[in-house]
Amino acid sequence: EADIYQTPRYLVIGTGKKITLECSQTMGHDKMYWYQQDPGMELHLIHYSYGVNSTEKGDLSSESTVSRIRTEHFPLTLESARPSHTSQYLCASSESNQPQHFGDGTRLSIL
Amino acid sequence: DQQVKQNSPSLSVQEGRISILNCDYTNSMFDYFLWYKKYPAEGPTFLISISSIKDKNEDGRFTVFLNKSAKHLSLHIVPSQPGDSAVYFCAASGLQGAQKLVFGQGTRLTINP
Repeated sequence: EADIYQTPRYLVIGTGKKITLECSQTMGHDKMYWYQQDPGMELHLIHYSYGVNSTEKGDLSSESTVSRIRTEHFPLTLESARPSHTSQYLCASSESNQPQHFGDGTRLSIL
Repeated sequence: DQQVKQNSPSLSVQEGRISILNCDYTNSMFDYFLWYKKYPAEGPTFLISISSIKDKNEDGRFTVFLNKSAKHLSLHIVPSQPGDSAVYFCAASGLQGAQKLVFGQGTRLTINP
């Protein structure tokens, strides 16, 4: 079982604040992903990384940015939060072509 | 353009009966398919997968069937149990899983006692 942790689990914050969502995995997986999901909708890939110092934008355009300085850590940052950023953010990791393992997500609400 | 579609937002099944969840895809380059299960306030959990070289894969109570000509896959759960109540996501990928996953919208399964 992969161990992947996301913090915070819930965040309610005002417009214009800078936010960082944390994601860490202890399995040494090379590949890591960020998805955005709205209720009743599919998961949309917004960022991914295939290794340290490698990051790519996903299929859904996002104003967020990511970094991958260490294998186990893949934080997502919003420089200036807006109500349109309200959503659930899910982090995942995988080894090679194996199934992705997900964290429990961060539910973000921007007032 | 949605490449993976789960046309039933919800499904209700009696405990002990068979649950059948369906998924359609449009991209003929997809050759690896997965089902994930998601409980409220938790992340999706991998359930079962199938490669396009097979038409069936079984794991305990869960069986996935793939019909490549119809671009359709289904997940069968038998017998259904109350703990199976969750949202089920279908996902697809190319290059036998090497490419990014594309997810369907999910189907909420409710098992009634």
